[in-house]
Amino acid sequence: DAKTTQPPSMDCAEGRAANLPCNHSTISGNEYVYWYRQIHSQGPQYIIHGLKNNETNEMASLIITEDRKSSTLILPHATLRDTAVYYCVSARQLTFGSGTQLTVLP
Amino acid sequence: GAGVSQSPSNKVTEKGKDVELRCDPISGHTALYWYRQRLGQGLEFLIYFQGNSAPDKSGLPSDRFSAERTGESVSTLTIQRTQQEDSAVYLCASSLYWTFEGSYEQYFGPGTRLTVT
Repeated sequence: DAKTTQPPSMDCAEGRAANLPCNHSTISGNEYVYWYRQIHSQGPQYIIHGLKNNETNEMASLIITEDRKSSTLILPHATLRDTAVYYCVSARQLTFGSGTQLTVLP
Repeated sequence: GAGVSQSPSNKVTEKGKDVELRCDPISGHTALYWYRQRLGQGLEFLIYFQGNSAPDKSGLPSDRFSAERTGESVSTLTIQRTQQEDSAVYLCASSLYWTFEGSYEQYFGPGTRLTVT
């Protein structure tokens, strides 16, 4: 199963774009990449997923490199409520790892 | 519609006792997942069900842990002879399906906080 790696923490100024990277170099060709976030003391929340093409929804955008070895989650205008742990997960990997703690600063 | 629900929300038990944790998935979701999250750590996969079949039990930490699911609905996670290291939040999630390409997006419940004294 593919393993994902993420930086343990990042800061972002409120109103600016937050770009969260994820490395998934061992992902297989038909395996989706999912992003979730977990706000303190709550269950994780689905954000977005993709396979090859870039994706956008009301919460975020997902940029996947052409070789599919990495992706970036973009929160275009981060707010204080976006402070959370963000997990990048390959579809067949059922362990979320430690994720990236994003702190949005006022 | 209703989301994933879990009960109890909090459970305090004495070391050596058995506990049962319950998960009610979203109606129509055939796949159901159990995770454990220790304080300050990521989610650790325990087991998943497709229907009432559990193809992958490799994440269960020991034979004290077991889970069952009735049809495509309620699941219970049972921990026998609890130990202090079992203290954690136990999260349940459900998704429409699990396929070879991987799961559809998972919807999580609020978790059960288990404290073993």
